[in-house]
Amino acid sequence: DVKVTQSSRYLVKRTGEKVFLECVQDMDHENMFWYRQDPGLGLRLIYFSYDVKMKEKGDIPEGYSVSREKKERFSLILESASTNQTSMYLCASRLQGGGYTFGSGTRLTVV
Amino acid sequence: RKEVEQDPGPFNVPEGATVAFNCTYSNSASQSFFWYRQDCRKEPKLLMSVYSSGNEDGRFTAQLNRASQYISLLIRDSKLSDSATYLCVVGHNDMRFGAGTRLTVKP
Repeated sequence: DVKVTQSSRYLVKRTGEKVFLECVQDMDHENMFWYRQDPGLGLRLIYFSYDVKMKEKGDIPEGYSVSREKKERFSLILESASTNQTSMYLCASRLQGGGYTFGSGTRLTVV
Repeated sequence: RKEVEQDPGPFNVPEGATVAFNCTYSNSASQSFFWYRQDCRKEPKLLMSVYSSGNEDGRFTAQLNRASQYISLLIRDSKLSDSATYLCVVGHNDMRFGAGTRLTVKP
């Protein structure tokens, strides 16, 4: 069974902290994505990557960066966490033309 | 205008009812279409792909209308376990999610 694993299910961080969210997939997918999901706003794309060391900005990249040093791992970095980054963060991977497989999500609270 | 739009609902239906959701999209170059299901506080999971000729999976039927730029999902004989939020996903390389339609099936 294919899997996307996110390192933490729940996370509480302080304003100004640097935060790392890790995502690993075991499907050899080229494409990986980071979304955030907020009530009433749906899923919004933060960053995505088509290949190792490649990254593309999504719709809301401000305040975030990403790293993809290996094909199976895609990390989301909050450079200086702020309270408006409190959200559910979902990582996903997909083959070109295929559907997404999501991780179980990280619920981040910034206090 | 949003790139992908769904009626947020909620749709409250009795068990056994037939319910239909639509999802409109603005990018005519879209090539890939999916319906996802998301349970409360869980990640979205693929329900079904949507093919040009329409496709069926048990009680679920998905259709694509390229001319009017929408996809639809029909659920027949609704079960309590169908209660969830249904998300449409549309795009090509760059996929876009609808905000979701919430369905509650009641006894």
